[in-house]
Amino acid sequence: QKEVEQNSGPLSVPEGAIASLNCTYSDRGSQSFFWYRQYSGKSPELIMFIYSNGDKEDGRFTAQLNKASQYVSLLIRDSQPSDSATYLCAGRGYSTLTFGKGTMLLVSP
Amino acid sequence: KAGVTQTPRYLIKTRGQQVTLSCSPISGHRSVSWYQQTPGQGLQFLFEYFSETQRNKGNFPGRFSGRQFSNSRSEMNVSTLELGDSALYLCASSPTMGGYNEQFFGPGTRLTVL
Repeated sequence: QKEVEQNSGPLSVPEGAIASLNCTYSDRGSQSFFWYRQYSGKSPELIMFIYSNGDKEDGRFTAQLNKASQYVSLLIRDSQPSDSATYLCAGRGYSTLTFGKGTMLLVSP
Repeated sequence: KAGVTQTPRYLIKTRGQQVTLSCSPISGHRSVSWYQQTPGQGLQFLFEYFSETQRNKGNFPGRFSGRQFSNSRSEMNVSTLELGDSALYLCASSPTMGGYNEQFFGPGTRLTVL
């Protein structure tokens, strides 16, 4: 059973702080990992993806992947109230995407 | 480039009825995947279509079926609706299957079964 685990939260951070979202996965065959943001009542929106060990930066977002530890994280720098949403981690092997249940992030002004 | 579109956006049905949902992928994308999202279970994979063929299937009963047309548009059908089928149904498209391809989601169809 392929699983992706996330802490459901909520993770509360003040505006301007760094938010750190974590995800672990069970399928060592997973090749790529995706972070989606989902606002309440909306569909998931792709933030970024990563498939190599290490860090990948895109604006205020940094994804980190450690395949040996089966661990993926997303750092959001200078968090804004508009970042308040549920963040979904997903892993993909040769076929389907397996999603975690998401972590709710609350950024307070 | 237009995004993924889904119709209808909202549906209300009663138990025992059937429903058909439609998804048009991003132009040029050939893979369409369907997901069910509920508060308790999160996003669960239903099936994936590529080149008019179902390539992968999740753990859902046979009441859930789908198809893909030659223009990559896809439909999903649920027969003999149950109360537990109430959910947000999302379709996602990607250029091709598997590996490193990102999936882009449509706005979803909110199905309520009474």
